[in-house]
Amino acid sequence: EPEVTQTPSHQVTQMGQEVILRCVPISNHLYFYWYRQILGQKVEFLVSFYNNEISEKSEIFDDQFSVERPDGSNFTLKIRSTKLEDSAMYFCASSGQLGETQYFGPGTRLLVL
Amino acid sequence: KQEVTQIPAALSVPEGENLVLNCSFTDSAIYNLQWFRQDPGKGLTSLLLIQSSQREQTSGRLNASLDKSSGRSTLYIAASQPGDSATYLCVLLNQAGTALIFGKGTTLSVSS
Repeated sequence: EPEVTQTPSHQVTQMGQEVILRCVPISNHLYFYWYRQILGQKVEFLVSFYNNEISEKSEIFDDQFSVERPDGSNFTLKIRSTKLEDSAMYFCASSGQLGETQYFGPGTRLLVL
Repeated sequence: KQEVTQIPAALSVPEGENLVLNCSFTDSAIYNLQWFRQDPGKGLTSLLLIQSSQREQTSGRLNASLDKSSGRSTLYIAASQPGDSATYLCVLLNQAGTALIFGKGTTLSVSS
């Protein structure tokens, strides 16, 4: 069964460093998403992406964040200068069409020291 | 701003019991409502999806209802099993269909 994959599973970085989180969505899906979950808190929407453009972004998704689909398979989230409060589990998701079920990857646990 | 509240936050039941998880939301302008399952250290799995025009959906031992006018949804689990132990998340898709809005979840523990 097709699934969303994410790499790395864990990343530790120093405050101020740039990180890139990678995702491979399900191959025939057209809509891509990033969410995050700070430990003990609810999952929060970051950004949705379609047709090589951001469709919607939340207040969390400020200028420190960017997304890219560099090729036909990968979808990346870049955090330009990490802060302590960026420590969280980051989930990538994809869906075939707007409004359809979003399929989630296993997540990348980011720890900023 | 849409808020999703789930009650109870945690629930412990013996195996075989039927149970109901509750969800309420503040804005009825939604695309659909989903119930997800989250296992520790793992991703999120969609269990049931109810379109905004529907009232309920069933999958095996799970039944979810939606009452948009009152801003409520319930997830009914029949004959609970230890393998059902997980966190259950009530999740709304916004009206534009572009973003999921999550509740904090109900953590269920089923003992054998």
